[in-house]
Amino acid sequence: LAKTTQPISMDSYEGQEVNITCSHNNIATNDYITWYQQFPSQGPRFIIQGYKTKVTNEVASLFIPADRKSSTLSLPRVSLSDTAVYYCLVVAGAGSSNTGKLIFGQGTTLQVKP
Amino acid sequence: GAVVSQHPSWVICKSGTSVKIECRSLDFQATTMFWYRQFPKQSLMLMATSNEGSKATYEQGVEKDKFLINHASLTLSTLTVTSAHPEDSSFYICSAEGSNNSPLHFGNGTRLTVT
Repeated sequence: LAKTTQPISMDSYEGQEVNITCSHNNIATNDYITWYQQFPSQGPRFIIQGYKTKVTNEVASLFIPADRKSSTLSLPRVSLSDTAVYYCLVVAGAGSSNTGKLIFGQGTTLQVKP
Repeated sequence: GAVVSQHPSWVICKSGTSVKIECRSLDFQATTMFWYRQFPKQSLMLMATSNEGSKATYEQGVEKDKFLINHASLTLSTLTVTSAHPEDSSFYICSAEGSNNSPLHFGNGTRLTVT
């Protein structure tokens, strides 16, 4: 499974757009990228996943360049409640012996200030 | 959306006793479930992969005789911490996989404190 690297921490202010970039240089052809959010003493919560280009849902956007060696999670207009740890993960696609297995890196601790 | 329920949410036990944690997929069938452990200020560490009807696959360094995993049905996996010691105190989290390429859904974790 491809290793991911992301900033340890980030600070932002309410109402700003936050972009968290993750590098995954060894991503394989069938792998896809997924992002999770975790609050203290809770299980991780799925945010978004994608394979290439851009994916958008009601809470975030995910940008993946053509070489797929990195991805950027974009959170529009963050609020105090978005303070959490954000994990970028590479997931092995169907057919792999590691399908579904998620290996967590250190994540990015986002602190949103008033 | 898919829901994974974990029980109990917290437990305190005495050293030497065993504790069972349940993980249920409430609205989907999960052929595979995963168990994680998380220490304070650290990331989640994968302990084992639980497959319905077969033996669990443990990650390197995880004692299979200490952390017993049973996945007897498509909606239930259990993790039993046997002969618990204070160093086993941690936050245990399960996740469940439904269909291929669907995102993993996590339970809300179980805080285990061994005194």
